[in-house]
Amino acid sequence: EAQVTQNPRYLITVTGKKLTVTCSQNMNHEYMSWYRQDPGLGLRQIYYSMNVEVTDKGDVPEGYKVSRKEKRNFPLILESPSPNQTSLYFCASSFGGATNEKLFFGSGTQLSVL
Amino acid sequence: RKEVEQDPGPFNVPEGATVAFNCTYSNSASQSFFWYRQDCRKEPKLLMSVYSSGNEDGRFTAQLNRASQYISLLIRDSKLSDSATYLCVVRVSSNTGKLIFGQGTTLQVKP
Repeated sequence: EAQVTQNPRYLITVTGKKLTVTCSQNMNHEYMSWYRQDPGLGLRQIYYSMNVEVTDKGDVPEGYKVSRKEKRNFPLILESPSPNQTSLYFCASSFGGATNEKLFFGSGTQLSVL
Repeated sequence: RKEVEQDPGPFNVPEGATVAFNCTYSNSASQSFFWYRQDCRKEPKLLMSVYSSGNEDGRFTAQLNRASQYISLLIRDSKLSDSATYLCVVRVSSNTGKLIFGQGTTLQVKP
């Protein structure tokens, strides 16, 4: 089954404790991206990747890192989480290149930073 | 001014009603436009891409007005199952992967 898998689904952590949210897709998609969703603000793009070893900042990259060593994986790393990073996070992928490609989203990760 | 703006609603309509949402975008160079549907805190799913000529999919019609820089979504004969948040998404350039989401418009269809 074609899918984007995010883990974990829920995560509670404390300020400053490094964490990684994993994202994997099995569709051989070139394009992958991360979003955070906050009430009243909608989804905001954190980082995106057009292909392996190619990553770019979205609108809200501060406090986050990503890597794209393999086509299927695009982990989101919070080196030193802070309470303002408490949010619902989504990973997404698509074939990329074409202008009207469909985004496939993972099920989301609800992160709480205490 | 936000790059992509939507009226957050909520829009409360009876079953069978026709409802329309608008979404305005600020960058005239924007290339691609989409409507996504999101059910409460679940992952967004593509509803329709929006083409210059307009497009229709069953009860849903999407239109693009480049001169006025807005896109619209029309839902005819609303069903209870249409209750959701509708997200407007804009891709500024085909050369980058930057996508901008509107904050979403919430629709509640009531019996």
